[in-house]
Amino acid sequence: ETGVTQTPRHLVMGMTNKKSLKCEQHLGHNAMYWYKQSAKKPLELMFVYNFKEQTENNSVPSRFSPECPNSSHLFLHLHTLQPEDSALYLCASSRGADFNYGYTFGSGTRLTVV
Amino acid sequence: EDKVVQSPLSLVVHEGDTVTLNCSYEVTNFRSLLWYKQEKKAPTFLFMLTSSGIEKKSGRLSSILDKKELFSILNITATQTGDSAVYLCAVFYDNNNDMRFGAGTRLTVKP
Repeated sequence: ETGVTQTPRHLVMGMTNKKSLKCEQHLGHNAMYWYKQSAKKPLELMFVYNFKEQTENNSVPSRFSPECPNSSHLFLHLHTLQPEDSALYLCASSRGADFNYGYTFGSGTRLTVV
Repeated sequence: EDKVVQSPLSLVVHEGDTVTLNCSYEVTNFRSLLWYKQEKKAPTFLFMLTSSGIEKKSGRLSSILDKKELFSILNITATQTGDSAVYLCAVFYDNNNDMRFGAGTRLTVKP
């Protein structure tokens, strides 16, 4: 385990479903991130939270809705997704949200939209 | 347009070989370059480079950054089958801490 825990590990959902991905870290980190990795594409940064405040939204469609209730927990709420949203969703955390700190990644949630 | 380009996209070698992976970038206000090793799911952080010409080393892996020519290399000596993975390069840039990943190099080390 890396110290960043993502649940569930696998998720299959229909296009009309609503589901949530959860990320938890107890590393004392203040910044948390959601990434999307699709097949044959570079890892894409989706959202950045620093001290519970969203500091970056990389033009992510509104069907993805992040929530960061505290510095240790990050959620990604999903609704009315499309098949092309099927991907590996990775959560990461770092001590601070700047370039001086390495990231710790979770193992990801493999999402399949049917 | 900001971009990070890795080469080669894939590489197959035999155990004991030495490999060199490349990452070139064109970004505004470069801050740092990171190398990751990804096996199956979660990338593992390898190196962070911010200064030109200073080699970072960890066991059989080493990396160096050239900020004049805008690239970095990752060297792996005496490769082992456990080195088989996707190696990701990522660049932090601009004052907003934007981060861009390359597409990765898939390394396969055969026994």
